[in-house]
Amino acid sequence: GENVEQHPSTLSVQEGDSAVIKCTYSDSASNYFPWYKQELGKRPQLIIDIRSNVGEKKDQRIAVTLNKTAKHFSLHITETQPEDSAVYFCAASKHSTLTFGKGTMLLVSP
Amino acid sequence: DGGITQSPKYLFRKEGQNVTLSCEQNLNHDAMYWYRQDPGQGLRLIYYSQIVNDFQKGDIAEGYSVSREKKESFPLTVTSAQKNPTAFYLCASSGQGPVQPQHFGDGTRLSIL
Repeated sequence: GENVEQHPSTLSVQEGDSAVIKCTYSDSASNYFPWYKQELGKRPQLIIDIRSNVGEKKDQRIAVTLNKTAKHFSLHITETQPEDSAVYFCAASKHSTLTFGKGTMLLVSP
Repeated sequence: DGGITQSPKYLFRKEGQNVTLSCEQNLNHDAMYWYRQDPGQGLRLIYYSQIVNDFQKGDIAEGYSVSREKKESFPLTVTSAQKNPTAFYLCASSGQGPVQPQHFGDGTRLSIL
């Protein structure tokens, strides 16, 4: 089955810096890659997703890149703010089920 | 998302007891999912259903059971066979099609008494 590795497990940045979270996947047939943000005790919320026919997607301060050859994808957050502090999960899917990475705890210090 | 309702928010289980977690959605989604989340772990798939009266095992189905009698509802039973049930349980749903985003409920936190 699919295996998703996510790094780093924790990431501390200063407000205004950029943050990058990286994921690799094992199944070359995976074709959908969402990113979720989860605040403490709350539901995961979809923040951006990318399909395998696209190499990059951007939404304001958030961008995702996908390298199908290397089987890795990354989340980029620019101009980080304290409210960006949360756990971020990547996932990969080839049919309807998602396989999640173990998460990255992002801490943005003022 | 407001369209997916999980209840209760907190649940306690005694030894040898089965407990059922509720998940209801009013998004007219065909597919529904149950995940388990442990501290420091990603979400792991327990069961999923893509259509009424049909469901499939996920990666960690042992000790759990589900039913899908109505499109809107996908209850999860944590049986006494699940020896380590303490976790945060999340229900999700998605529309029909191979690459539809999944949206989550607020979760149920289950603990052992």
